[in-house]
Order: sequence, then structure tokens, then C-alpha cells
Amino acid sequence: EAQVTQNPRYLITVTGKKLTVTCSQNMNHEYMSWYRQDPGLGLRQIYYSMNVEVTDKGDVPEGYKVSRKEKRNFPLILESPSPNQTSLYFCASSLRGREQYFGPGTRLTVT
Amino acid sequence: GESVGLHLPTLSVQEGDNSIINCAYSNSASDYFIWYKQESGKGPQFIIDIRSNMDKRQGQRVTVLLNKTVKHLSLQIAATQPGDSAVYFCAENPAYSSASKIIFGSGTRLSIRP
Repeated sequence: EAQVTQNPRYLITVTGKKLTVTCSQNMNHEYMSWYRQDPGLGLRQIYYSMNVEVTDKGDVPEGYKVSRKEKRNFPLILESPSPNQTSLYFCASSLRGREQYFGPGTRLTVT
Repeated sequence: GESVGLHLPTLSVQEGDNSIINCAYSNSASDYFIWYKQESGKGPQFIIDIRSNMDKRQGQRVTVLLNKTVKHLSLQIAATQPGDSAVYFCAENPAYSSASKIIFGSGTRLSIRP
């Protein structure tokens, strides 16, 4: 089944403790993105990647890192999480960029 | 349409009627416009897109209209069904940017009355 998977689905952590949210797609898509979703603010793009080793900042990249070492994986790294990064995170992939397939989401709480 | 603040605009429609969800976009140079549907507890799902050189595009039970003069986008859903209950987002892909750079609006919640 064609899908985007994210792990973990739920995470509660403390300020400053480094964490990684993994994202994997099995559709051989070139493009991958990370978004955060907050009430009333819609989805805001954090980072996106056009291909292996090619990444670029979205609208809210501060406090996040990404890497794209393999086509199928696009992990999101929070080196020192803060409470304002409490949010619902979505990973997405796309063949040509615009029609994006989203994962199920990761709900992160930073205390 | 686009929301300001913390509350999503809500559209309530009788089952079987047509729904029209509106969106105002800000970037007149955007190249592509996309509609996504997000059901409760799930990630957004692509519905339909339209290129800036088109005025109208039809899909299965959905039609997207683009009015570049007033920077307005609408999604029409024919014969609305209970499964159409969701939050609908319009999104744009700015021209001269990567196809992967997508800017989302803040969404409209569609609820269906039986």
C-alpha cells in the first residue's frame, strides 16, 4: 500500500531533550516536506526537500533540522525542543511537488 | 474563506445540497492552487488543483473556480454527503519557487446537516 509513515505518533518530552521524528514514504517520490499544524494557523511548512541531499527552508524553520540522505526518508530533528514547538506535525511526499500525500501526523508535547 | 484569529470559519450545509467554500489568496504571482481536505484525526488529502492559466477545473463531484482579478478561489462540492464533513484548506504554490513550496490557508470547516 502506498503510504507515508511517521513515528512516533505521539510524543511527550521535556524542554531541551533532543528528539527525532521519522518519516518514510514507499512511493519513490522526489519531494518531501514537513509541516506543523496549530489551531487557527493552518499548516505551516517547516522544511522541504526536492531530492536526496537537497533541502530548503519553509516558512517556520527555526528550531528544526532535517536531512535527506535517502530518497524514502526525511527525518525531522529538534535539537533542543521548547514548549512553543508543541504542535501536530505532518510529513508529506509528492512526485512533482504540488499533489502531496500526507502522513498520519505526530502529536508532540514539550513540557 | 480565510480565517483570522483562532476560529475557523464554518459552513453548514444540508445533505444533498451543493457546498461552496471560498478562499482569498494573497500572492498574485502564485502558479498553482490546490484544495486539500482534512478529516478529523487524519492528515490532509489532496482533492484538486488548478493552474493559474485556467479559470475552472472539474473533478468527481468537485469544481474549482479561480478568479485572478480578485484573487479568489472557490471549491464547489456537488450533492454534499456526510463523508464530506471535514476542514478544507486552499493552498498556493508561489511562482518562481520550488514546486514543493506550498503555502496553506487556515481552513474552513464544513459540517453537514442531515
